[in-house]
Amino acid sequence: GQNIDQPTEMTATEGAIVQINCTYQTSGFNGLFWYQQHAGEAPTFLSYNVLDGLEEKGRFSSFLSRSKGYSYLLLKELQMKDSASYLCAVMDSNYQLIWGAGTKLIIKP
Amino acid sequence: DAGITQSPRHKVTETGTPVTLRCHQTENHRYMYWYRQDPGHGLRLIHYSYGVKDTDKGEVSDGYSVSRSKTEDFLLTLESATSSQTSVYFCAISEGLAAYEQYFGPGTRLTVT
Repeated sequence: GQNIDQPTEMTATEGAIVQINCTYQTSGFNGLFWYQQHAGEAPTFLSYNVLDGLEEKGRFSSFLSRSKGYSYLLLKELQMKDSASYLCAVMDSNYQLIWGAGTKLIIKP
Repeated sequence: DAGITQSPRHKVTETGTPVTLRCHQTENHRYMYWYRQDPGHGLRLIHYSYGVKDTDKGEVSDGYSVSRSKTEDFLLTLESATSSQTSVYFCAISEGLAAYEQYFGPGTRLTVT
């Protein structure tokens, strides 16, 4: 079957750096997405990786290793507004997104 | 923000009643999706559409049907609601498939009693 694994919850301190990992096993691979979802709101797009390596976008970076079935989202200079759930999703061979259950990130002052 | 709305935003209904949720977009995107989101689960695809009158099943389509008679509207119908269909339902749109992000509507919280 298809599976996306990510930690359920993480805690970090304001101003620090946090890395959220995602491992996947899917039928085919057409890219990996990261979304942010604040409580009670809709998911919003953060990043997309289809080739191995690091994609940087401001305070957020996303890394992909296709051979290892692994990605991480790196958040720098954490702010209180970064408290949210972070969703990892892989596009499979049918171009459907398979979603992880999300990682709830708690930021403490 | 992508122009995508959902109605109703909240609904409480009784077991066995039919329910229709509406998704409306103003972006003229070809692809539209219905997902459900439950605690402890990732978003799960119910149905999707790749054009007017062109739809296909997703991972959890049993008990749901959809229709798309216009580019801008995608309807999700629960023919006979059950308590297991209590969930938050999200509609999403995208311009294309690979490499295209999906934009999500605000969600509909459905409770079946």
